[in-house]
Amino acid sequence: QSVLTQPPSVSEAPRQRVTISCSGSSSNIGNNVVNWYQQIPGKAPKLLIYYDDLLPSGVSDRFSGSKSGTSASLAISGLQSEDEADYYCAVWDDRLNVVIFGGGTKLTVL
Amino acid sequence: EVQLAESGGGLVQPGGSLRLACAASGFTFSSYEMNWVRQAPGKGLEWVSYINSGGSTIYYAASVKGRFTISRDNAKNSLYLQMNSLRAEDTAIYYCVRAGADGILFDYWGQGTLVTVSS
Repeated sequence: QSVLTQPPSVSEAPRQRVTISCSGSSSNIGNNVVNWYQQIPGKAPKLLIYYDDLLPSGVSDRFSGSKSGTSASLAISGLQSEDEADYYCAVWDDRLNVVIFGGGTKLTVL
Repeated sequence: EVQLAESGGGLVQPGGSLRLACAASGFTFSSYEMNWVRQAPGKGLEWVSYINSGGSTIYYAASVKGRFTISRDNAKNSLYLQMNSLRAEDTAIYYCVRAGADGILFDYWGQGTLVTVSS
């Protein structure tokens, strides 16, 4: 069981908006920046959001990140079938002194 | 274009050893910190090890400390992971990952190499 809690799965219809939560504690999310990774089935993970809410070059602005207290969220608007993937949050943990990943959330576009 | 190409994975018996390699191209390898991250079949991501640009600072996950050794050869643009005393629970895809400015922002990932530990 991960130190960071994500819902195992979420689903939504095309063109709708979905959010994925990542819950942590004061030793990780509450004190450090959060990064998000997208992993399409059979592929390597890809950086999606960094430093809580910044988009790497080339990533669609349909993706956005936010953070409040000890929780972070990833939002995807205008859902498309190509967004079906696993999404992971990641953050440094001050108590464990390692980078920790959330358990991952599988997004299904209905 | 940044490229990271892992090699060296395969089937190994419990207690055996394996050396993974990662060939980097498309960026100044010697300027970047690097990591290994693994993913067990059907499971999530787990950070394994970190090495700074010069190779002088190294960290390991508790699950591999004392058994795995990370190293790099900047002249050859290559990253390595020597894995000894392998266990069934080490079975995973191992990804070579470049780190951004803070060392923990994983900005580029290789395609991974599968390590299977089984008798």
